[in-house]
Amino acid sequence: GAVVSQHPSWVICKSGTSVKIECRSLDFQATTMFWYRQFPKQSLMLMATSNEGSKATYEQGVEKDKFLINHASLTLSTLTVTSAHPEDSSFYICSARPLDLPNTGELFFGEGSRLTVL
Amino acid sequence: GQNIDQPTEMTATEGAIVQINCTYQTSGFNGLFWYQQHAGEAPTFLSYNVLDGLEEKGRFSSFLSRSKGYSYLLLKELQMKDSASYLCAVRDTGGFKTIFGAGTRLFVKA
Repeated sequence: GAVVSQHPSWVICKSGTSVKIECRSLDFQATTMFWYRQFPKQSLMLMATSNEGSKATYEQGVEKDKFLINHASLTLSTLTVTSAHPEDSSFYICSARPLDLPNTGELFFGEGSRLTVL
Repeated sequence: GQNIDQPTEMTATEGAIVQINCTYQTSGFNGLFWYQQHAGEAPTFLSYNVLDGLEEKGRFSSFLSRSKGYSYLLLKELQMKDSASYLCAVRDTGGFKTIFGAGTRLFVKA
């Protein structure tokens, strides 16, 4: 149990285009999902907390108009990188904490999405 | 502010024991986690401590001292496949936001 699926695994796009990344909890419900970004050889940086049915909470320094987050259901959150630029190239990882499964509160991560902006 | 410190890199020999330290200063504390991450992959959960003391799980053990803001991950009987980054993470109170340290890259040599 507690499987998180992320799609696409990798994407290459042209500068100025928008890219949508999906994060799904396959066998549990998650009212809260977290979006992280990871640059090479660096740790995960929390971008935002995605709450089902409400607006996402963004971390300081993260542009909410550039990184649009939608949490439309208890099993799906999406991150849209709008008007992508080369500096947005990174590894984006979502995570979720199941509320209806016994666990110690650890996060379950998606496989990650590697974005390359040309 | 939030600050989680851990060594950048460590090298150990196959079959040996290695201890990876983590110190933290966070505005809230609701548990400390250790995750393993292989290059290009998502992190996987290793351990969780919320009370002081040692938690043992197979070859991996994790220790926590809340008063000192200190934790360590102990890996025994090292195997080549243990070469990875080990991330120390602290969960904040309320909202369950989890902040990660920069990670320790462990190299296991034969």
